[in-house]
Amino acid sequence: SQTIHQWPATLVQPVGSPLSLECTVEGTSNPNLYWYRQAAGRGLQLLFYSVGIGQISSEVPQNLSASRPQDRQFILSSKKLLLSDSGFYLCAWGPRTATEAFFGQGTRLTVV
Amino acid sequence: AQKVTQAQTEISVVEKEDVTLDCVYETRDTTYYLFWYKQPPSGELVFLIRRNSFDEQNEISGRYSWNFQKSTSSFNFTITASQVVDSAVYFCALSEAWISNFGNEKLTFGTGTRLTIIP
Repeated sequence: SQTIHQWPATLVQPVGSPLSLECTVEGTSNPNLYWYRQAAGRGLQLLFYSVGIGQISSEVPQNLSASRPQDRQFILSSKKLLLSDSGFYLCAWGPRTATEAFFGQGTRLTVV
Repeated sequence: AQKVTQAQTEISVVEKEDVTLDCVYETRDTTYYLFWYKQPPSGELVFLIRRNSFDEQNEISGRYSWNFQKSTSSFNFTITASQVVDSAVYFCALSEAWISNFGNEKLTFGTGTRLTIIP
C-alpha cells in the first residue's frame, strides 16, 4: 500500500533562517506531488505541484521554492523565512491517472 | 475560476444528533470532481469521498451520506447519529477534470467547517 511521510512534524524557526521540509512517498511510482499551506482559520492553498522529476509548477508567488530530486521525493525550501511563512504545510500525492490527493501528516511551522 | 464556499465556520451538536455540512461550489468546467476531507486534531487530511460531475447519485457509507445537486451547485455532507470521534474540521474541495498530457490534480478547498460533537 502507498504511504506518505512528511517531516518534521513541528518546527520553530527564526525570521531570516533557511527552511527545508521533506516529503517522500512509498508504494507507488511516478506520482503527482503537491505542497499545500493551511494558514490559521483558512482553507488549504496549493503552493507547488510536480508531475515528474525536476518539473515544478508554482501556483502563487511567494518566498518559498520546491524541488523534486527523485521520483518520490518532494522538498519545500526557503532561503530566508518571513513571519508570514508560518502555517501548516501539507504534502500530498496523487496517482497519475486519478484525481484523488492523499495527504501527509503535515508540518506546523512557526516563524518567530 | 473555481471557488468552494463552506458558509458554516463552526457547528456544535450533541452526540447522536444528525448534522449536515454545506458545500457550494463554482466552476466553469463541465467535467469536475468534488471531494470531502476530514482533518482530525492530528492535522492529517483524511480522504472521505470523490464524486464526478456526471454522477449525481447520492452516496451513503455507514453513518455518512452525501447529497450532490448540480442544479444548486451543492455537495452537502450529512453525518447521522454523530459520535465524538466525528469531531474534526471538514473540507470540501473541487478539482478540474484531467485535461493535460500529464494531468494534474489541483484541488480548490473551502475554508472548512469545524464540527464539535458534544458528549
